[in-house]
This record gives sequence, C-alpha cells and structure tokens, in this order.
Amino acid sequence: EAGVAQSPRYKIIEKRQSVAFWCNPISGHATLYWYQQILGQGPKLLIQFQNNGVVDDSQLPKDRFSAERLKGVDSTLKIQPAKLEDSAVYLCASSLVGRVRLNQETQYFGPGTRLLVL
Amino acid sequence: DAKTTQPNSMESNEEEPVHLPCNHSTISGTDYIHWYRQLPSQGPEYVIHGLTSNVNNRMASLAIAEDRKSSTLILHRATLRDAAVYYCILRDVVQGAQKLVFGQGTRLTINP
Repeated sequence: EAGVAQSPRYKIIEKRQSVAFWCNPISGHATLYWYQQILGQGPKLLIQFQNNGVVDDSQLPKDRFSAERLKGVDSTLKIQPAKLEDSAVYLCASSLVGRVRLNQETQYFGPGTRLLVL
Repeated sequence: DAKTTQPNSMESNEEEPVHLPCNHSTISGTDYIHWYRQLPSQGPEYVIHGLTSNVNNRMASLAIAEDRKSSTLILHRATLRDAAVYYCILRDVVQGAQKLVFGQGTRLTINP
C-alpha cells in the first residue's frame, strides 16, 4: 500500500514569509498527526486530527501556526509569519484507529518537509 | 508523560548482535513500550512494541524486565542499514490522545 505522502520535500523562505505543507495519509487512516523535529532532537507533536476534528493541539503555536484537515483526508499545515526558530523538519504521520487499543496502534510517518528559514 | 532514558549513542559491528537499553522507572501498569527508529533523512518507522512479555518480530526482539522498569531492543545481526536513531517510547493515552512522546533516542552506528 502507498505510504504517507508529503510535499514539498524541501523549502527555503525568509523570515516573516508564509509557508504551507501538505500531507496525504495512508488510505483509510482516520488519525493524522503533524510533528516538528528540530535538528538533533526527537519529533514533537504539534497537532492531532481524528477524521476532520482536532484532538490535541496543545503544543501548536497558534499565533503563527494553523492546520486543517478538510473532509477528513489530506491536511495542510501553515506557518504565517515564519521565524528563524521554525527551521525544522515537519513530519506527518497517520494511524488506523479501531482495531487495537489506542496505546498499541502503529503510527506511519511520511518522509517529512525540511524547512529552512533565513 | 512517563519518561524514558537511553544512552545518547552506541556503536557496533556489522553482523553482530546489538542490545539497545531503555530505562523507564516511572512506567504505569497500562503503558506499552514502543520502539521506533529513524533512518537518515527519513521519518520514524515502527520497530516493535510490548507490555510485559518478551516480543519478537522480523525486525527485532524486545526484552522487558520483570518489574517493567527497563527494556532492551535486540537486533540479532546488525547490518549497515540498521544505522539509525532508535527511540524508546511509552505510549501515553491522555484524554483520548494517542501521541508519541519522543526523547533524544540512541544514535546507533554500525561499523563495516
């Protein structure tokens, strides 16, 4: 089966500009996650969707970051305006909820979008 | 969130077994122990998970201490492709969230 797709793979912008990342999860996966991974650190969850509803956005900097998942399939993460500290890899992941208990399910990650803010 | 402690880095030789340790002394009774790994320039990928008993799959084995305060990921015969950052994660189910909380992980280097 096809994996999680993300685009673009790389993006370079100047500070104060805006940028958007796109993610298409594995077909049939109800849950979608966006993670931010700063160089040398493990990924950090930004937002989690269950279908098209937000489950957890406690770590999303809402003054500049926004995300949506219209129709419960693909998703877009936007940064406006970008800061230097937003330079990171943005990872999208999806999981199929329902067959196993929540703390056993596997998350499948895309290749990520590497963002450099100058 | 329940915390895990892993060595920052480890090194091994190709075709030898590798034992990656993880300490999780504050684990709760319902926490599952998951391992993910991240190859260079890729997103993390699932390796294995377990609750109390040792687990085996085609990628690795997971040995869990009897008191569950530590576990060890075992790669039986390392290849160069196993060079990656390995993350030991306790699954945190809070208010319906299923998030993975990643630490720093262990960077595994495999020598030819």
